[in-house]
Amino acid sequence: QKEVEQDPGPLSVPEGAIVSLNCTYSNSAFQYFMWYRQYSRKGPELLMYTYSSGNKEDGRFTAQVDKSSKYISLFIRDSQPSDSATYLCAAAYSGAGSYQLTFGKGTKLSVIP
Amino acid sequence: DGGITQSPKYLFRKEGQNVTLSCEQNLNHDAMYWYRQDPGQGLRLIYYSQIVNDFQKGDIAEGYSVSREKKESFPLTVTSAQKNPTAFYLCASTRGSGRSSYNEQFFGPGTRLTVL
Repeated sequence: QKEVEQDPGPLSVPEGAIVSLNCTYSNSAFQYFMWYRQYSRKGPELLMYTYSSGNKEDGRFTAQVDKSSKYISLFIRDSQPSDSATYLCAAAYSGAGSYQLTFGKGTKLSVIP
Repeated sequence: DGGITQSPKYLFRKEGQNVTLSCEQNLNHDAMYWYRQDPGQGLRLIYYSQIVNDFQKGDIAEGYSVSREKKESFPLTVTSAQKNPTAFYLCASTRGSGRSSYNEQFFGPGTRLTVL
């Protein structure tokens, strides 16, 4: 079983819709949870980062982590065509070794005008 | 502007050839990483380096080699031993080694390698 599971989609929504993107993870040692946005043929860029459980909001984006159920979510309100991209969830822990990210497979989102 | 540059953007290779992908960063970051991205596979770690002259294998290191002679440079060589090298290659870096706290991982624009 992959440590971070993500439904690859694709997901298509109309402009203005609320988008919910989700991941599950299996490693209880993960402490940091990230969402990256990747436009076609570009490198990923960090969108949101959370530590441990809880919610974090940044404009139209809300990241949510539930460590009890090992569930990671990203909500996009009032979605725009410019939000069309692949969204990658990632998790990490720091410890004796180096800091490494474990990525989900990514969900391709299309927001239709 | 600080950032990570990768070159070339597109690279074509004949079977049996070794090729080297360049990655340079001017962020003064300590750690650097190489990932491979295939459709539907997400990002998989090839190699990483926490300090100069030191690097470790990631999950899929077979058929690849790296060097870290300078802090700002971390080139990746795709050797002829890599059986399926066609993919999108991403270089990344973080400020610290990450042993004690979160460090954002910044990515370069990527190199698309195609084997003919």
